[in-house]
Amino acid sequence: NAGVTQTPKFQVLKTGQSMTLQCAQDMNHEYMSWYRQDPGMGLRLIHYSVGAGITDQGEVPNGYNVSRSTTEDFPLRLLSAAPSQTSVYFCASSYSIDRNTEAFFGQGTRLTVV
Amino acid sequence: AQSVTQLDSQVPVFEEAPVELRCNYSSSVSVYLFWYVQYPNQGLQLLLKYLSGSTLVESINGFEAEFNKSQTSFHLRKPSVHISDTAEYFCAVLDDKIIFGKGTRLHILP
Repeated sequence: NAGVTQTPKFQVLKTGQSMTLQCAQDMNHEYMSWYRQDPGMGLRLIHYSVGAGITDQGEVPNGYNVSRSTTEDFPLRLLSAAPSQTSVYFCASSYSIDRNTEAFFGQGTRLTVV
Repeated sequence: AQSVTQLDSQVPVFEEAPVELRCNYSSSVSVYLFWYVQYPNQGLQLLLKYLSGSTLVESINGFEAEFNKSQTSFHLRKPSVHISDTAEYFCAVLDDKIIFGKGTRLHILP
């Protein structure tokens, strides 16, 4: 098993550009989520999904879109990048949210918006 | 909604000394608590978890945490730290989603 795979690992965008951060898991996990990590702020939840076709907003959803058309994939779209979106982004998955569960994290995507 | 507070953003400690990283959560009827560790330039990994049963939980690398319902705490401890424990540690609570604290950076001094 590859676990949780995030691509790309690094990305530089210009203000106003759009892009998609990819996240895929091969563990047949129902629950997937996106966090951003900023110094002194810990991990803040952007969006999450409890299964294919179901998504919900987290703590900081503005400027980001998600979809969950398959169990395996949970892409995060930046609609119009802003310097405030410079951050490290982590995708996580777990078997479910209401059972004995451990979240597995990808290696992160370091995004810089200039 | 649940919340998690990690009071210390950084904790310096000498090698082989004991350490405690503090975590408090907002009270709830049922609570599931976790500690995750993030080594430099890596993603997070589960260190240990409390779901039910014994209030003292242990990890394979010498860390332990005690669930204290009356104090709504889940502090992480290790009796003797090693340089390889240098990392950032995150306390988390499971509600209908996983909520993380802001993290505590553990600095091991030689």
